[in-house]
This record gives sequence, C-alpha cells and structure tokens, in this order.
Amino acid sequence: GQSLEQPSEVTAVEGAIVQINCTYQTSGFYGLSWYQQHDGGAPTFLSYNALDGLEETGRFSSFLSRSDSYGYLLLQELQMKDSASYFCAVRDRNGGSQGNLIFGKGTKLSVKP
Amino acid sequence: DSGVTQTPKHLITATGQRVTLRCSPRSGDLSVYWYQQSLDQGLQFLIQYYNGEERAKGNILERFSAQQFPDLHSELNLSSLELGDSALYFCASSSGVANTGELFFGEGSRLTVL
Repeated sequence: GQSLEQPSEVTAVEGAIVQINCTYQTSGFYGLSWYQQHDGGAPTFLSYNALDGLEETGRFSSFLSRSDSYGYLLLQELQMKDSASYFCAVRDRNGGSQGNLIFGKGTKLSVKP
Repeated sequence: DSGVTQTPKHLITATGQRVTLRCSPRSGDLSVYWYQQSLDQGLQFLIQYYNGEERAKGNILERFSAQQFPDLHSELNLSSLELGDSALYFCASSSGVANTGELFFGEGSRLTVL
C-alpha cells in the first residue's frame, strides 16, 4: 500500500525558518502535494511538486526528490498565523492521475513569539 | 472561499440514527471526494465520484453510502451511527482534467454522535 511519514509536531519562533519533511512509499507516483489546515478549518492547497527540485511561492517553498521518495515544505519568516497543521499527500495509485489523495497524518506547527 | 459548499456545518444526533451530509462542488468540477477527519487525526479517504459514477473507494464502512447526482452535487449517508463516527466530514472537488495535486475542500460538516 501507500504510506507517508511526517513528524507529528514542530515548534519554531516567529521570524525563523522551519522545514517539514515527508517520506512516502507508493507506486504510480504522480507528485507530492502540501496542504495547510488551521484548527477546525478546511485544508487548503499550498503546493505541488511533480518533478525534482524546489518550487517557491512567497514565503513557502516545497522540494521533491523522486529518487529518494522524499520531499519537504520550507516555511520562511514564520508568522504566528502559520501555526497550523501541514499535510503532505500523494495520489492513490489506483485512481490514476485524477484519483483521490492519500494524506500523511499531518505535522502540527506551533509558532511562538 | 474554495467554492465548495457543505451542509450542515454542525450536526448533533444520537447513536443508531441516520444523517445525510450534502456537498456542492465548485462550478465545473466533475470529481467529488469525501474525507473523514477524527480528532487529531489525518484525513481518511472515504469515496470518490466522477461525473455521477463511483470512481474509488477507501475505508468506507458498510453503514456509509454516497452518491453523486446529475447536477454533480453529492450526498454522504451515514446510518446506524456510533459514537466513533463523530468526526469532521470534508467534501472536496477537482476538475478531473489536469493533475495539479490540488483539491478544493469545503468547510466540513462536524458530526457529533451522543
């Protein structure tokens, strides 16, 4: 089956940089997605990596290494509002490129003043 | 606002009862996905529909069922409810055309079973 591993909790201070790692086991890999979810809120899409390398979107960047089955989300200039859970996700191999996403268990990021 | 609408936002019911959760996808999206999120847990995939047809099934209990109607809205039916069914139920949609790894999630329906 497919599985994703990410740390359960990360704590950092405002203004710092934090990296959230994700390792995955899957076949039929299409790409790695990242989502943010504030407590009780809807998950919102942050980024998607289909190819190796770094994708930058403002303060957030995401990296993928397909050969290592590994990716990370990098958050820079942390703000209090970044306190949330962050999920990595891959496509279910049985669903093809339009299949459902399989999510990791999430990393709870706490940003301290 | 993702454009995905879920109703009701909150629902409190008793064990053994049946409830229906409703989802309207983003305009033009053909795929609808249902996920369950229990307290401090990740998002567990339940079921996916594409243009009215069931596309994929996850760990969905036999007591649960879903359908997607011709107007593309979807309903998730939960019956013989148990305390453990208390969770946030999210609906998500995507166009089903381009694979960008992006799903658009509704605000969820919070179900409490007493």
